[in-house]
Amino acid sequence: DSGVTQTPKHLITATGQRVTLRCSPRSGDLSVYWYQQSLDQGLQFLIQYYNGEERAKGNILERFSAQQFPDLHSELNLSSLELGDSALYFCASSVGFSNQPQHFGDGTRLSIL
Amino acid sequence: DAKTTQPNSMESNEEEPVHLPCNHSTISGTDYIHWYRQLPSQGPEYVIHGLTSNVNNRMASLAIAEDRKSSTLILHRATLRDAAVYYCILRDFSGSARQLTFGSGTQLTVLP
Repeated sequence: DSGVTQTPKHLITATGQRVTLRCSPRSGDLSVYWYQQSLDQGLQFLIQYYNGEERAKGNILERFSAQQFPDLHSELNLSSLELGDSALYFCASSVGFSNQPQHFGDGTRLSIL
Repeated sequence: DAKTTQPNSMESNEEEPVHLPCNHSTISGTDYIHWYRQLPSQGPEYVIHGLTSNVNNRMASLAIAEDRKSSTLILHRATLRDAAVYYCILRDFSGSARQLTFGSGTQLTVLP
């Protein structure tokens, strides 16, 4: 058990809809990272927050947004969903940023019908 | 980011040692070598990391070449539970690279 909790585990929705994925980091971790894993693109970094502030951005679409709340949990919002957004979305956390190991949750599997 | 090269797949017999290679010929002086693995239906899991010296922990050992252009992750006695995709990742400890950049990794199959 990594200590990182992601909900829901599975999500099925339709094109054009909006969903919110939630992540609770390990106790004491201030950094949260979001990654997307699809069959054709592999694991790709989306965005990172540190203590409530955005710190790094990767290949995140404009239709996607995220935030980290004062209690350090994070939410990833995906809107105007397309078939290609079907993927596993992982959240990871670490104590700080830079070189500390990241601890991953078990992911949310998003299926767009 | 400096790139790594790993074999697509490897096989091992249960209870035998496994040596997973990684080439990183363009590694810079500020890059740490990290290894993560991903078991089926799970998120990636941190395994080990090092800079110059060999490192050991409860999961594995990391052997780093003297010129740092290659490294080897060593699982001392493979179990069926070690079947996973293993990722070798370079991370700049100077603070500029915060995210993990995953390649395609090595799919390890452990045979009973």
